[in-house]
Amino acid sequence: EIVMTQSPGTLSLSPGERATLSCRASQSVSSSYLAWFQQKPGQAPRLLIYGASRRATGTPDRFSGSGSGTDFTLTVSRLEPEDFAVYYCQQYGSSPLTFGGGTKVEIK
Amino acid sequence: QVQLVQSGAEVKKPGASVKVSCKASGYTFTDYYVHWVRQAPGQGLEWMGWINPNSGGTNYAQKFQGRVTMTLDTSISTAYMELSRLRSDDRAVYYCARGSWEIGLDPWGQGTLVTVSS
Repeated sequence: EIVMTQSPGTLSLSPGERATLSCRASQSVSSSYLAWFQQKPGQAPRLLIYGASRRATGTPDRFSGSGSGTDFTLTVSRLEPEDFAVYYCQQYGSSPLTFGGGTKVEIK
Repeated sequence: QVQLVQSGAEVKKPGASVKVSCKASGYTFTDYYVHWVRQAPGQGLEWMGWINPNSGGTNYAQKFQGRVTMTLDTSISTAYMELSRLRSDDRAVYYCARGSWEIGLDPWGQGTLVTVSS
């Protein structure tokens, strides 16, 4: 099983600031099958990024994903008020599919 | 638009079973897998398994082997997840999600809260 580790656990930032979220896999993620999700309270997760760097339909271009192998990053170039949420990375290249523990981006 | 609509909240007693439905619309049901993911209160996301609506084949996470059964009714584009021998730590929101090898899990259903209480 590939263990996904996200850091930091909580990120306290102000609107307009840049957010950098990290996701590390215990083994190489096959073919960059790495996704990022955003989840707000009481809502289902929403796919933001797939294939490590491809924006899903409707994802604003202030969100970008990068990385390969075992190290991946989600960057939000300038935080908007609606971006404060919990973010999860997930590898979907091998079974079982596994998620990171999440990074909460909160308003400073 | 592509949409997954799940059944409503359930309250079950320990030892009972629960069956959650997930009705798909807006796409060809047999073209995409259906995955199930759960989230305990205040916790992260846990993948439970998938079912292939084209073949009926399944792949369950080892943790749930023997307790989970994923089934289909392709005539109404609906997938089901049944979890048996419920325990208090099975209290969670259960989500279905459409899956593809290209983009992963998207979209997700709205979630179904399952409460286990005596």
